[in-house]
Amino acid sequence: DVQLVESGGGLVQPGGSLRLSCSISEFSVSSNSMFWVRQPPGKGLAWVSTLYKSDLTFYADSVKGRFTISRDNSQNILYLQMSSLRADDTAVYYCAGATLGDYLNYWGQGALVTVSS
Amino acid sequence: DIQMTQSPSSVSASVGDRVIITCRASQGISTWLAWYQQKPGEAPKLLIYAASTLQSGVPSRFSGSGSGTDFALTISSLQPEDFATYYCQQTDTSPITFGQGTRLEIK
Repeated sequence: DVQLVESGGGLVQPGGSLRLSCSISEFSVSSNSMFWVRQPPGKGLAWVSTLYKSDLTFYADSVKGRFTISRDNSQNILYLQMSSLRADDTAVYYCAGATLGDYLNYWGQGALVTVSS
Repeated sequence: DIQMTQSPSSVSASVGDRVIITCRASQGISTWLAWYQQKPGEAPKLLIYAASTLQSGVPSRFSGSGSGTDFALTISSLQPEDFATYYCQQTDTSPITFGQGTRLEIK
């Protein structure tokens, strides 16, 4: 079965950095489109970033210049490097994979990132 | 950015009821629309993509319709496990955007 497992979440001070990892099994990170989606506590879903198999990347305006999506093909891991973190970045971050265009048919369990002093 | 507006924001219904949730896009998106179900503490789950195609393993009581700007998710006969929050998502134009969610509660 396909599994996506996020790690690296936690509490970080405003202005700090954090790297999320998404370890993936039975699903190739290099051959499929990969995404990060976040959900602030009690709120809805918000797209953060996309990494296509062509290496093309996209970012939401709210994170552009602060977040970087990348992958390790040999380890089959997706990353989200987050810097200059702000309180409004507090959310559960989900990694997701798509085999159907940009429809997200595989999801991880989520990692909570809390930005607070 | 394309705005996705769902109606209603919340709805109460009983087991066996038929429920329709609608999603309106701020501009035409053809059929580039998906529906997701999310239960508390869980990741979203893809139910329908391309507006009306049922994802593998999803019960046939779920159906989707619409094109252009107006879409609907129909649950034909509510089951206890269907009480959750539902989101629409457009993939026509970057950035991908989601609706604000519709919470389906037990009456």
